[in-house]
Amino acid sequence: RKEVEQDPGPFNVPEGATVAFNCTYSNSASQSFFWYRQDCRKEPKLLMSVYSSGNEDGRFTAQLNRASQYISLLIRDSKLSDSATYLCAVTNDYKLSFGAGTTVTVRA
Amino acid sequence: DAGVIQSPRHEVTEMGQEVTLRCKPISGHNSLFWYRQTMMRGLELLIYFNNNVPIDDSGMPEDRFSAKMPNASFSTLKIQPSEPRDSAVYFCASRPKTGWVNEKLFFGSGTQLSVL
Repeated sequence: RKEVEQDPGPFNVPEGATVAFNCTYSNSASQSFFWYRQDCRKEPKLLMSVYSSGNEDGRFTAQLNRASQYISLLIRDSKLSDSATYLCAVTNDYKLSFGAGTTVTVRA
Repeated sequence: DAGVIQSPRHEVTEMGQEVTLRCKPISGHNSLFWYRQTMMRGLELLIYFNNNVPIDDSGMPEDRFSAKMPNASFSTLKIQPSEPRDSAVYFCASRPKTGWVNEKLFFGSGTQLSVL
């Protein structure tokens, strides 16, 4: 079983829509959780950390469910510029393991 | 801050040749990671250095792969001999603090390797 699994998508949504997707992790002892954004042919960049109580950053909301071992990302009022691949990442000790990514395409 | 610098940006080589990828981490960062990304397998951790010392190389696929970090400002990933299945994007990333798991990774722009 992979350490981190994601629905690859793609999620095709119109501008202004809300899109949400999850990521599951296998190690219940995982300590930290993140969402990274990766644009085509570019390096991953941190979008936001995910905290136990859930957190928001503008139009982005991240949730953590330790009991079910998943994290989620919700994007409200989607913009064309949100089109990207979203990678979830989980830390075990020093090691940051990534999911394969969920592709989101926002259309005009 | 110049960020993590990787070179070359693109590398095309023939099967059997030696390939060397280079990375300069952000000054002051003491953790360095090499990742490989493919469509099939996603982002895989190859090796992790802390204070220039290799801590975990369990992700290095075969003996053909080796990595070094001779000092805090430079690391190399070498493939010898290279094979077509090594074709991937190789990312180097650094992190500012050891053991501070909430610290984010800073990635370089990656090296696109194509082995023909």
